[in-house]
Amino acid sequence: DVKVTQSSRYLVKRTGEKVFLECVQDMDHENMFWYRQDPGLGLRLIYFSYDVKMKEKGDIPEGYSVSREKKERFSLILESASTNQTSMYLCASSLDGNYGYTFGSGTRLTVV
Amino acid sequence: EDKVVQSPLSLVVHEGDTVTLNCSYEVTNFRSLLWYKQEKKAPTFLFMLTSSGIEKKSGRLSSILDKKELSSILNITATQTGDSAIYLCAVERKSGTYKYIFGTGTRLKVLA
Repeated sequence: DVKVTQSSRYLVKRTGEKVFLECVQDMDHENMFWYRQDPGLGLRLIYFSYDVKMKEKGDIPEGYSVSREKKERFSLILESASTNQTSMYLCASSLDGNYGYTFGSGTRLTVV
Repeated sequence: EDKVVQSPLSLVVHEGDTVTLNCSYEVTNFRSLLWYKQEKKAPTFLFMLTSSGIEKKSGRLSSILDKKELSSILNITATQTGDSAIYLCAVERKSGTYKYIFGTGTRLKVLA
């Protein structure tokens, strides 16, 4: 069974900390995505990557960066966490446009 | 501006009822529309609808794409408590990019 694994289910961090959210997929997918999900706003795209070492900004990249050193791993970095980054973060991967996304279970991040 | 709007925002029904969830979109160069079910964890894929596949059915769930009206409906017949979830609609915003724009979701609660 194909899998997208996010390293943490729940995370609590302090304002100003540097935060790393990890995502690993075992499907050999080239395309990987980071979304955040907030009530009333739905899922919003932060960053995505079509290949190793490639990254592109999504709709809300401010305050975030990403790293894709290996095909299977896509990391989201909060350079200096702020309370408005408290959210559910979802990682997804896709082979191509014919099958949509496979999502990870999500990381619920609270910044205090 | 690309957007996806789902209605209703939330819905409470009793077991055995039939529900219809709506998704309308305004997206450049439409390629596909996806429906996902999200319980406590990762959204799980339900259907993909394209110009060449405008109607899908799986058990008690079915979905239709109306390209003229730029909308889709998701029908669930004989609802069960296990159908309680958030149902997400997503549209690929620009052909070939695999980037989806999501609606805010419809929260369905099925009472026993």
